Amino acid sequence: AQTVTQSQPEMSVQEAETVTLSCTYDTSESDYYLFWYKQPPSRQMILVIRQEAYKQQNATENRFSVNFQKAAKSFSLKISDSQLGDAAMYFCAYRGNSGGSNYKLTFGKGTLLTVNP
Amino acid sequence: DTAVSQTPKYLVTQMGNDKSIKCEQNLGHDTMYWYKQDSKKFLKIMFSYNNKELIINETVPNRFSPKSPDKAHLNLHINSLELGDSAVYFCASSQVSTQQFFGPGTRLTVL
Repeated sequence: AQTVTQSQPEMSVQEAETVTLSCTYDTSESDYYLFWYKQPPSRQMILVIRQEAYKQQNATENRFSVNFQKAAKSFSLKISDSQLGDAAMYFCAYRGNSGGSNYKLTFGKGTLLTVNP
Repeated sequence: DTAVSQTPKYLVTQMGNDKSIKCEQNLGHDTMYWYKQDSKKFLKIMFSYNNKELIINETVPNRFSPKSPDKAHLNLHINSLELGDSAVYFCASSQVSTQQFFGPGTRLTVL
């Protein structure tokens, strides 16, 4: 079974600074997707960024980028120029790509990010 | 314009009661999911339906019964509610293998 580990229960960053959230995962599959979701206090789950395992290029979305190391099974999220609105719980998630029950998302336990003004 | 909607958003009930949570998506997706987020914020899959067929049924007490009357709806019925059922329940949908879109969640409190 796949597992996702987020080793940082809490992180804090100063506004305008850069922060990196860590995520490692375990799988025997070669084809899969990885995601970072953001959950603000409103509890809405918001997709921040996704990475296809077959792509070597790291995904970027504006101030958000990932460092995907497939061999090391590592998938960290970098937030540049942190803003107060970035404060939230961040979840790393894995999804297989072999069909049926494999399409479920397996989540890490989350990292609570605080942004200090 | 809501993509994935859930009703109700909040549900407070007594132990032993039966309750339902409804989910609807207007994205034309063919796969829908129920996730449970516990008090420690941990999210775990419960069920998934693809074209009204159950494809994922994780280790969930049989007091929980999902029902999918059509591709756009996936409801969750819970019998004999227990204190440990208190959680936030999220519905999500996707077009088979694409990204999942989440509803706003339903916070269930069992007293």
